[in-house]
Amino acid sequence: KAGVTQTPRYLIKTRGQQVTLSCSPISGHRSVSWYQQTPGQGLQFLFEYFSETQRNKGNFPGRFSGRQFSNSRSEMNVSTLELGDSALYLCASSWGQGLGQYFGPGTRLTVT
Amino acid sequence: GEDVEQSLFLSVREGDSSVINCTYTDSSSTYLYWYKQEPGAGLQLLTYIFSNMDMKQDQRLTVLLNKKDKHLSLRIADTQTGDSAIYFCAESFNDYKLSFGAGTTVTVRA
Repeated sequence: KAGVTQTPRYLIKTRGQQVTLSCSPISGHRSVSWYQQTPGQGLQFLFEYFSETQRNKGNFPGRFSGRQFSNSRSEMNVSTLELGDSALYLCASSWGQGLGQYFGPGTRLTVT
Repeated sequence: GEDVEQSLFLSVREGDSSVINCTYTDSSSTYLYWYKQEPGAGLQLLTYIFSNMDMKQDQRLTVLLNKKDKHLSLRIADTQTGDSAIYFCAESFNDYKLSFGAGTTVTVRA
């Protein structure tokens, strides 16, 4: 089975712009979660989607949003980018509860 | 993750065993995980354990859970140079929202 794929792998944006990141889960996985990884804050949970519904949400401002499509692919959007949004954004998928989350390689976002 | 603590660094000689320790504070945590991250890569799920288990073994990996002390450890037997990486401990109540520790950088020396 192919693993979790994320596109693009690298992205450079300017402050004030918006960005959309994409995640394709492992085939058959219906839960998709997003995490932000920074040197200062470590790994932080953004949100989780299941069957096109957001089920869990972390403590991030409303500039961070996401959605999931009927084929379980997910996108996350960050509007009005700030320098502090520079991070590795990781997507993870899961088949079900108790079966672990499998991560993609991440999208490295740099905001200048 | 504010609820999960790990030591930051571990240096081990090739061929020895590595033990990485982690403590967590949420007593309702049901699932506990170990992930590995190599430079420039995402997180690789190594193993996980349910809170009703004390131990889990998977080839060179042994996970021990002391639920009373909220202490989790990962032992890597016969550590190899390819085991050099950052290891993250994580906990979750529902298996969908994971809280991670800061990660332990393991360096394997010849």
